[in-house]
Amino acid sequence: SYELTQPPSVSVSPGQTANITCSGDELEKRYACWYQQKPGQSPVLVIYRDSKRPSGIPERFSASNSGNTATLTISGTQAIDEADYHCQAWDGSSLFVFGSGTKVTVL
Amino acid sequence: QVQLVQSGAEVKKPGASVKVSCKTFGYPFTGYYIQWLRQAPGQGLEWMGRINPNGGGTDYAQKFQGRVTLTRDTSMNTAYMELSGLRSDDTAVYYCAREKTTISAFDVWGQGTMVTVSS
Repeated sequence: SYELTQPPSVSVSPGQTANITCSGDELEKRYACWYQQKPGQSPVLVIYRDSKRPSGIPERFSASNSGNTATLTISGTQAIDEADYHCQAWDGSSLFVFGSGTKVTVL
Repeated sequence: QVQLVQSGAEVKKPGASVKVSCKTFGYPFTGYYIQWLRQAPGQGLEWMGRINPNGGGTDYAQKFQGRVTLTRDTSMNTAYMELSGLRSDDTAVYYCAREKTTISAFDVWGQGTMVTVSS
């Protein structure tokens, strides 16, 4: 079955850039999306189709997908961005697959 | 506005079944797939399956085949997830979410339902 791998944690200073990776076999051939989840809350879609932002998501959230790695970038990270971030892809046989999630800490 | 509202928390004994509902508001129920996922304490999201409210067709993750049943009631704009043969490791928050097929992503989520399996 298809698998996605994320680092367990990423730390970033306020105002700096956070990069969160998601790796999977030929991931660039599958659309990747990203969800933000704050403690005790439901996930929120922040990126779809590799790099597109839903309405209402701040411009500091951007993303790319190339080769085996998708990357979510938070520019000018703010304290409110502290959350878990989950990547997700669609695989024809496994259907929907999620990474294990990355905890972003704003120090 | 568009909302998915799930049923309340459940406590079940091992071997029992649980049925969680997901009532939708603010959009045509039959126009979007409903997805079901779960999240064990401190863990990531796990996809369980989806149902097409238009016709009732389903897809299940291999891990849950034979143990999960997804249904819907179009008159109530509500989807249901039933999980049988509960074990302690089924303890988790269960979510429903709307799949927007044009973007291959889940754009609206329910608030989650905590299911605790304990003897």
